[in-house]
Amino acid sequence: GQNIDQPTEMTATEGAIVQINCTYQTSGFNGLFWYQQHAGEAPTFLSYNVLDGLEEKGRFSSFLSRSKGYSYLLLKELQMKDSASYLCAVKDSNYQLIWGAGTKLIIKP
Amino acid sequence: TAGITQAPTSQILAAGRSMTLRCTQDMRHNAMYWYRQDLGLGLRLIHYSNTAGTTGKGEVPDGYSVSRANTDDFPLTLASAVPSQTSVYFCASSSQEVEQFFGPGTRLTVL
Repeated sequence: GQNIDQPTEMTATEGAIVQINCTYQTSGFNGLFWYQQHAGEAPTFLSYNVLDGLEEKGRFSSFLSRSKGYSYLLLKELQMKDSASYLCAVKDSNYQLIWGAGTKLIIKP
Repeated sequence: TAGITQAPTSQILAAGRSMTLRCTQDMRHNAMYWYRQDLGLGLRLIHYSNTAGTTGKGEVPDGYSVSRANTDDFPLTLASAVPSQTSVYFCASSSQEVEQFFGPGTRLTVL
């Protein structure tokens, strides 16, 4: 079967750095996505990795290792508005997205 | 530009009744998707359409049907609602670009 694993919940302090991990086992791989979802709202796109390595976009970075079936999302200089759920998704061999359950990130002052 | 709109925003439905959730996009995206999101579970794909006139089944299609008569609209119909269909439903669309864009969601409660 196909599986995406990520921690259910994490807590971090405003101004700090947090790393959210995602491991996957899917039938095929055509890219990994990170989305942000604030409570009661729709998911919004953060990043996309298809090759190994680090993609940096402002305060957010995403890393991929295809051989290990592993990715992480790194958030720097945390702000209160970063309190949200972060969803990891993999595009499988059918080019459909398989989604993790999401990691709820709580930012404390 | 509105992006993707969904209607209604929320609905309470009696079990056994039928309902159509509406989704419209103005980005001329070829592909459209319907997901349901339940607490503790990831988004699950119900149905999808890669282009107008075609549809396909996702991970959890039973009890749902879709149509894609044109590029912009992708309605989702529940023929006879059951309580297990209580969920938040998201419509999404994408083109050759990488990411999917999501509508604001419909919160459905089946009693």
